[in-house]
Amino acid sequence: QQQVKQSPQSLIVQKGGISIINCAYENTAFDYFPWYQQFPGKGPALLIAIRPDVSEKKEGRFTISFNKSAKQFSLHIMDSQPGDSATYFCAASRQGAQKLVFGQGTRLTINP
Amino acid sequence: DAGVTQSPTHLIKTRGQQVTLRCSPKSGHDTVSWYQQALGQGPQFIFQYYEEEERQRGNFPDRFSGHQFPNYSSELNVNALWLGDSALYLCASSLRGTETQYFGPGTRLLVL
Repeated sequence: QQQVKQSPQSLIVQKGGISIINCAYENTAFDYFPWYQQFPGKGPALLIAIRPDVSEKKEGRFTISFNKSAKQFSLHIMDSQPGDSATYFCAASRQGAQKLVFGQGTRLTINP
Repeated sequence: DAGVTQSPTHLIKTRGQQVTLRCSPKSGHDTVSWYQQALGQGPQFIFQYYEEEERQRGNFPDRFSGHQFPNYSSELNVNALWLGDSALYLCASSLRGTETQYFGPGTRLLVL
């Protein structure tokens, strides 16, 4: 049972554009939603995370939008740069569980 | 401040063999979680160790076992290796009671 669905699988954006990746979850007990960035041959690195009590969180060029009623959340990368080219994973967990459930990943390519 | 470290970086085994992977958590962290990441997929939770005991387990067979030492470092053991065990094995550390998990670079296991 896939509890976190991520789309699209791959995304190509021009330099300076906005990259948008979407995730949907099923388990209403989830209350922590992080996004991870992974470069080839490396482990995932935490980018930004949000809890359901806020609808949006921004850190630099990265913004998470959260829709609790729709059980969806998304990552927006503003002014996308070639260095942002990587695979991005959304994830979710329940409070205190510290067990992350990951989406399938989105391979993002930023064309110069 | 050293982050999460894992060893070895790469490993090649044959079917039926046994393997041990090692992880040292980030300084100050007391909880270690292990994930399996198949090629092109998101990481999947194997199990979590805290206070030298397995606290949570994902949907993995008993061939997968682990250990945590008094210094919080951890080992993942896989017995009777299958071809399907070929994957990137990731260790993540955290502080008990907090959600943020920091991943190591992973160990790439190839089973022939």
